[in-house]
This record gives sequence, structure tokens and C-alpha cells, in this order.
Amino acid sequence: SQQGEEDPQALSIQEGENATMNCSYKTSINNLQWYRQNSGRGLVHLILIRSNEREKHSGRLRVTLDTSKKSSSLLITASRAADTASYFCAPVGGATNKLIFGTGTLLAVQP
Amino acid sequence: DTEVTQTPKHLVMGMTNKKSLKCEQHMGHRAMYWYKQKAKKPPELMFVYSYEKLSINESVPSRFSPECPNSSLLNLHLHALQPEDSALYLCASSQVMFRGPQPQHFGDGTRLSIL
Repeated sequence: SQQGEEDPQALSIQEGENATMNCSYKTSINNLQWYRQNSGRGLVHLILIRSNEREKHSGRLRVTLDTSKKSSSLLITASRAADTASYFCAPVGGATNKLIFGTGTLLAVQP
Repeated sequence: DTEVTQTPKHLVMGMTNKKSLKCEQHMGHRAMYWYKQKAKKPPELMFVYSYEKLSINESVPSRFSPECPNSSLLNLHLHALQPEDSALYLCASSQVMFRGPQPQHFGDGTRLSIL
């Protein structure tokens, strides 16, 4: 597996706005996973998108994957203060489930 | 509440102490992981157990000693730690390790401080 690079490193928005964060990686992947971490807590799995999928939805979350550009994006619509957290992507290559997390995007949603 | 339980939540120890971190899951998962997370950094993988056998050791110093006594339990034994080992230690589990993509379930971690 390889490390993803998230962009931006930090994002501050108002409640109700949409938040978009991006992840880029370097080599081919089997799948890409997004996780959220609230301050002082463990990580929570959000979405897993396989390499043959282009888009996936879960509630207010939308993840896209462009394997030709080696990039993925996570869109959170109608954000809430409770969405304030760090968001990490983890591109996964090969047959193992080994995760190497990028540096993450710190999202702050102002009420 | 998470389905992976880690104890203790906080631990302060001296450099000469011996202590253990515990992790438990009852989801029937057969892969379990230890991660170390420093402040404002992403989690870094330390060890992976698959079917109670150590599958991956990411060149972790021997002062960290993992143990998987059964499929539900994962321990991390600590001895002669250094101040730079102060961090949040996260445990995670997944159904299996080597059979395709699947999410990992994390505990809330043990915050370790070395004096």
C-alpha cells in the first residue's frame, strides 16, 4: 500500500455549506478508503471505493475515484458542526488490507 | 460507542515500567492491528495479526511486544519505553487481512505518556 496526500490540509466552512477534500496517490490501487477522526477518538470508516468504481454515495457523503488521474475526492454536503474532524484517505494496493494514511484534511465547520 | 474496546484509556508510565495495552473485539474478526499516532499526524501501522499469527511487523522496536492470545483479544506489552513513544495507540480489526478490500474498525485508543 502507499500513502495518499490530502488537499487541502485544513478547511474551514460554515454550517450548511459543502466541503470537498482531495486525495492523490502514486501507484495503482485495489481500493481506496476514507476515514474520519474526531478529536481524541479513534478512526471511523466512511466509504470504501473499489478501483473499478467511479462514484459512491453514503448519506451526505459522495466519493469519486479517477484512476487515470490517481485521485479521489470526498464531498460532504450540507455540513454540520458535528462533521468537524480530520479526514484521512488510504489508497490500498495489492491483496492485503494494509492501510497507510495520508496527512489528512482538518475540517472545521462553524455553527 | 465503538465495537473495538481498548483499555486503559490513559496510561502514564516511567521509562523503567512494564505495562500492557489491551484491545478486544467481538465481531468475529480474524485480523487485528496496532497503530501509533503522534499529535497532528496520521496513524502509523505497527503490527498486524491474521488468524492469531503475527503477519506484519513494521520494524517496530523490541520494547513493543504484541500478543494475540485468542481471536478476540490483542495485547501490546510495553517495556523500557522512551519519551518519544508518548502517543495515542490505536487498535483496529477487520474480517480478514488477505482476502480483498474491507474496512477496519477502530477503538478509541490508549493515550500513553512516558515520563
